[in-house]
Amino acid sequence: GQNIDQPTEMTATEGAIVQINCTYQTSGFNGLFWYQQHAGEAPTFLSYNVLDGLEEKGRFSSFLSRSKGYSYLLLKELQMKDSASYLCAVRAYNNNDMRFGAGTRLTVKP
Amino acid sequence: DGGITQSPKYLFRKEGQNVTLSCEQNLNHDAMYWYRQDPGQGLRLIYYSQIVNDFQKGDIAEGYSVSREKKESFPLTVTSAQKNPTAFYLCASSRGDDTDTQYFGPGTRLTVL
Repeated sequence: GQNIDQPTEMTATEGAIVQINCTYQTSGFNGLFWYQQHAGEAPTFLSYNVLDGLEEKGRFSSFLSRSKGYSYLLLKELQMKDSASYLCAVRAYNNNDMRFGAGTRLTVKP
Repeated sequence: DGGITQSPKYLFRKEGQNVTLSCEQNLNHDAMYWYRQDPGQGLRLIYYSQIVNDFQKGDIAEGYSVSREKKESFPLTVTSAQKNPTAFYLCASSRGDDTDTQYFGPGTRLTVL
């Protein structure tokens, strides 16, 4: 089967760093995506990894290890507005074969 | 401004009625998708279209229908055959099918009473 696993909920403090993990088992691999989704709103694209390593984009970084079927999203200098769900998605072959995790709901506390 | 719009934001229908959800994009994207989001589950693909006048079933197409008469538009009809239609419906689009990022619309929350 195809599985995308990520923690259901996480809590962190404003100004801190948090790492959200994602493990996957899919029939193929053609890229891993992270999206941010505030409650009742559209998922917004954060990052894309297709090769192993770290991709940095401002306060957000995403890491991929294809051999381990593992990724993480790192959020630095947390702000209250970062409270949202973070969705991990793996594209097995093409866009009509995307597999989404259930999302990690992050709560940032003062 | 380029983007994807979905309307309405909230929709209420009685059981047994068909309802059509709108999705429009002005990004000049070829591919469009419909997903369903339920609490505690990942997004699941209902239908997708790679080009005008062509569409394919996704993982959970039963009880749904779509059309793609124009590049910009990909409406989804939730029919009375869909057993659990209450959900958050998300439309997405991408330039192409295999390497491009999907971008999402704001979603429509459908509640069937």
